[in-house]
Formats: sequence, structure tokens, C-alpha cells
Amino acid sequence: NAGVTQTPKFQVLKTGQSMTLQCAQDMNHEYMSWYRQDPGMGLRLIHYSVGAGITDQGEVPNGYNVSRSTTEDFPLRLLSAAPSQTSVYFCASSNRDWGTEAFFGQGTRLTVV
Amino acid sequence: EDKVVQSPLSLVVHEGDTVTLNCSYEVTNFRSLLWYKQEKKAPTFLFMLTSSGIEKKSGRLSSILDKKELSSILNITATQTGDSAIYLCVHTGTASKLTFGTGTRLQVTL
Repeated sequence: NAGVTQTPKFQVLKTGQSMTLQCAQDMNHEYMSWYRQDPGMGLRLIHYSVGAGITDQGEVPNGYNVSRSTTEDFPLRLLSAAPSQTSVYFCASSNRDWGTEAFFGQGTRLTVV
Repeated sequence: EDKVVQSPLSLVVHEGDTVTLNCSYEVTNFRSLLWYKQEKKAPTFLFMLTSSGIEKKSGRLSSILDKKELSSILNITATQTGDSAIYLCVHTGTASKLTFGTGTRLQVTL
């Protein structure tokens, strides 16, 4: 029962570096999404996907790219890391039906120095 | 833009107390409201509410939705230190986009 797997769990980047946060789910969910969690702000949607080959922007997409080449994987790319991107990142997936439970990965704590 | 507001932002209670956490929402197309508990890592699912007035219950936790008042409450009776966490209220909207409240941080002390 892997569920949603996120890697890495922790990462420190220097300003300007790029990296990819990995997210994989084994539940054949169509919907996948990325959130960032900052103190006092709750979780905010970065990008989401409703199926392979389809992605869209969320509330705070700037500085991030995504792709969805398979149902299972939804990587999040930081193009040129900035200190403002220091946050905890969560990937989530859910099935096609409206209003169903979302399953979360364990989170990635990213620090940009 | 969909909005979910939770209150209080934080709460400290003694073990054994009963607490009520509040969630209000302003959304264009209501689908469902979810409650999650977040300890140190990923949020874990508690309840999904779609119909007004029907209480969902799990042990000492219960929750109910009031669509007329655009709100929901989460009750925890006989609190324990293990209930200390952030409780998140979430609306699921179009394409299962989740709109999160800022959460209520609950601390239960001995």
C-alpha cells in the first residue's frame, strides 16, 4: 500500500539552482496536485492535473513547472530556486469523482539559501 | 475565488475538555467539505461532508455541515494529548482542486 510517494523528504538548494520534486501514486488516480504549506497561510495550490497530458495552474504557479506524461507520476520542477520558495511541499491525488478524499504524500521540506 | 476560513487559529485546552472547531466557506460551486488532521507530516483524512445536517462520527470526533450557514464544525470530546495537531478544513471544487483553510492548531495539555 504505497499510496502517494514523494521524494526527497528534505532538500537544501542554493539560490538559482534547479531541482525536481518527485511524486508517484499507485492508486490509478486521475487527479494529482501540488501544494505548498507556509506558516499561517494554509496549503496553497501550485499546479494540478486531471489526467495524463493535462496540467493547469493553481493559485501560486510562478517559478514552478509540471508535466504529466503518465497517470502515476507528477513531478514538480523548480526552475531557478529563490528563498521565497522555502516551504513544505505536498503532492496529493484523488480519483475522478467529485468530492472524494485526497491522499497526500509525506511532504518535502525545501530550504533555499 | 473560493475561500475557506477557520476559527480559532489556535487553541489550548486541558485533557478531557471538549472542543469545537469552526469552518466557514465561500465557494462558487460547492462539492464537499473535508476535514483533515495534520500532525508532523501529511494531512490524514477525518471526514467528508456533502449533505447538510448529517453528522459524521468517528470515536470522539464528530462533524456536521450546515449549508444554509455555509459552515461546518468539528467536535472533539474528552480530548487527549494525541489530539494535538493542526485541523484543516478543505473544500473540494472543480477538478478536485482543494481549497484549504489556514487550519486550527490545537494543543491539549495534561
